[in-house]
Amino acid sequence: QKEVEQNSGPLSVPEGAIASLNCTYSDRGSQSFFWYRQYSGKSPELIMFIYSNGDKEDGRFTAQLNKASQYVSLLIRDSQPSDSATYLCAVKGSYNTDKLIFGTGTRLQVFP
Amino acid sequence: SAVISQKPSRDICQRGTSLTIQCQVDSQVTMMFWYRQQPGQSLTLIATANQGSEATYESGFVIDKFPISRPNLTFSTLTVSNMSPEDSSIYLCSARTGDGYGYTFGSGTRLTVV
Repeated sequence: QKEVEQNSGPLSVPEGAIASLNCTYSDRGSQSFFWYRQYSGKSPELIMFIYSNGDKEDGRFTAQLNKASQYVSLLIRDSQPSDSATYLCAVKGSYNTDKLIFGTGTRLQVFP
Repeated sequence: SAVISQKPSRDICQRGTSLTIQCQVDSQVTMMFWYRQQPGQSLTLIATANQGSEATYESGFVIDKFPISRPNLTFSTLTVSNMSPEDSSIYLCSARTGDGYGYTFGSGTRLTVV
């Protein structure tokens, strides 16, 4: 089992819809969870991080964390064509590790 | 959040040679990380670099192939040694910055080995 799993997509949604991106992780002791956006040919850009169970909202983005289910998701409301990118889920493990483990990413396509 | 300057942005190198990639952070950071991203793939951690100590390498990566320097809290280099075409990839540095939750990336180095 991979440490961080994502559906590779592509996930296609119409402009204005809600895009839902999902991620599961294997290390139950994981502490912090990150969502990055990566445009083609560019480096990853941090969108949000979450470390407590529940929802965290920032503008059009909502991160949801369920540690019992080892599941983290990212919702993008009012999706725009400019949101088309690969979204990477990253997990910071337990104990004294600072490194992030990345999922394979989900490619999102928002069509007009 | 901090800004990381990475160079070179791209290079084409002959097999058997070495390339050193540099990352400069505009603030002091405890840890820096080096990743590799092959085309269409996610990020694979190569090593973690603390200032003043040996880098910690992930499984499948060794110091002889990817020596890392971390001379101070704002700078690190990664060398890709004795390159082969299989080393063609994007190499990214990252640092944990600010409040400790944000991990920022450099702009990446696209390496092609011919």
